[in-house]
Amino acid sequence: GAGVSQSPSNKVTEKGKDVELRCDPISGHTALYWYRQRLGQGLEFLIYFQGNSAPDKSGLPSDRFSAERTGESVSTLTIQRTQQEDSAVYLCASSIPTGELFFGEGSRLTVL
Amino acid sequence: AQSVSQHNHHVILSEAASLELGCNYSYGGTVNLFWYVQYPGQHLQLLLKYFSGDPLVKGIKGFEAEFIKSKFSFNLRKPSVQWSDTAEYFCAVNGRPSNTGKLIFGQGTTLQVKP
Repeated sequence: GAGVSQSPSNKVTEKGKDVELRCDPISGHTALYWYRQRLGQGLEFLIYFQGNSAPDKSGLPSDRFSAERTGESVSTLTIQRTQQEDSAVYLCASSIPTGELFFGEGSRLTVL
Repeated sequence: AQSVSQHNHHVILSEAASLELGCNYSYGGTVNLFWYVQYPGQHLQLLLKYFSGDPLVKGIKGFEAEFIKSKFSFNLRKPSVQWSDTAEYFCAVNGRPSNTGKLIFGQGTTLQVKP
């Protein structure tokens, strides 16, 4: 597609439920990134994919967070047993290797 | 570890005023530097970037930034702001050589321009 597409744009869930967030990168972009933006804070790096491997997972905050990517396309970020502190906007970006990052509009997660 | 500090969290200006947003980074080696902007209701987009060469970089919409290596700074400037510049601005850095292209972001500065 023309840009990075993320879904859902908004998700409200109850504490303890699992959620999946999806990212469709720009076609041909081999690099894909997930970031988290909590209210009033900057972007916090979560994980980086090159193709379908994840050489840098250093930002995942706990083992409740996981992500996978199919080839050089769609990525899914899964949060298990959600907690209120997981409430944030989850941003996906894609790029050619070491090129400019193009961001999606984000998925706003609210955990009640 | 790399880090980015943006000193101004919330800036309010009148139209036609000059703008300077501060950005300092912490990294021991060579860096690539970026400013991203997020207009209300829109996604983050690149405003300008510095990789090498002339330390004064010009971006879109009349913005520019100057890389001062000795001060570890990459401040964003615009001589005359417009109401449409109201947005959140993020400074970001990655170290070179970078195998990942991963960016470290500052906390962001909210700019409000009064008409």
